[in-house]
Amino acid sequence: QSALTQPASVSGSPGQSITISCTGTSSDVGNYNLVSWYQQHPGKAPKLMIYEGSKRPSGVSNRFSGSKSGNTASLTISGLQAEDEADYYCCSYAATFYVFGTGTKVTVL
Amino acid sequence: EVQLVESGGGLVKPGGSLRLSCAASGFTFSNAWMSWVRQAPGKGLDWVGRIKSKTDGGTTDYAAPVKGRFTISRDDSKNTLFLQMNSLKTEDTAVYYCTTESPHFDYWGQGTLVTVSS
Repeated sequence: QSALTQPASVSGSPGQSITISCTGTSSDVGNYNLVSWYQQHPGKAPKLMIYEGSKRPSGVSNRFSGSKSGNTASLTISGLQAEDEADYYCCSYAATFYVFGTGTKVTVL
Repeated sequence: EVQLVESGGGLVKPGGSLRLSCAASGFTFSNAWMSWVRQAPGKGLDWVGRIKSKTDGGTTDYAAPVKGRFTISRDDSKNTLFLQMNSLKTEDTAVYYCTTESPHFDYWGQGTLVTVSS
């Protein structure tokens, strides 16, 4: 099973909005409404930011939103803040297993 | 408060074995599906495998690279998850995280580093 495809890096200035794409196939992203997104700061464990495509766990800022169209899921961060600088990974359920994305480094300029 | 604490990592030679543990607290462990996710140094996240709750059959599933070499088990009486790793390869070097699965990964431990090197 190949990893989902994400851009290696995305950057934006404070206050701007950025979008990270996550492209899979009809066997994973396109077939299940079970895409999740994780934020990881250096040396830390990943943190769940979005689940089931667009739902936010309690405590996650509403500046984070998720969507899906066909085989591509997206994470949008609005009102970019310095603390959003981190690595972001998408993940999709795919029958009996999970596949993660290649990861995107978000830089706040 | 949910807590997951991994232990058992370390340095092992290729072909060797290691057993990781994950002590869980703050939730009803026996009802939880649990997964292991790993991250090689400087690389992305990779799902390793899962174990369902006993009420859901207690069955396991594994990623292709570890199938037949790794075994996940659980001791609900001790709220502990295990990962038995045999026939270790250099490419198994990674930080190993235990996570709850529902079917996203809500809670993560801090991870334990496994280094496979001669």
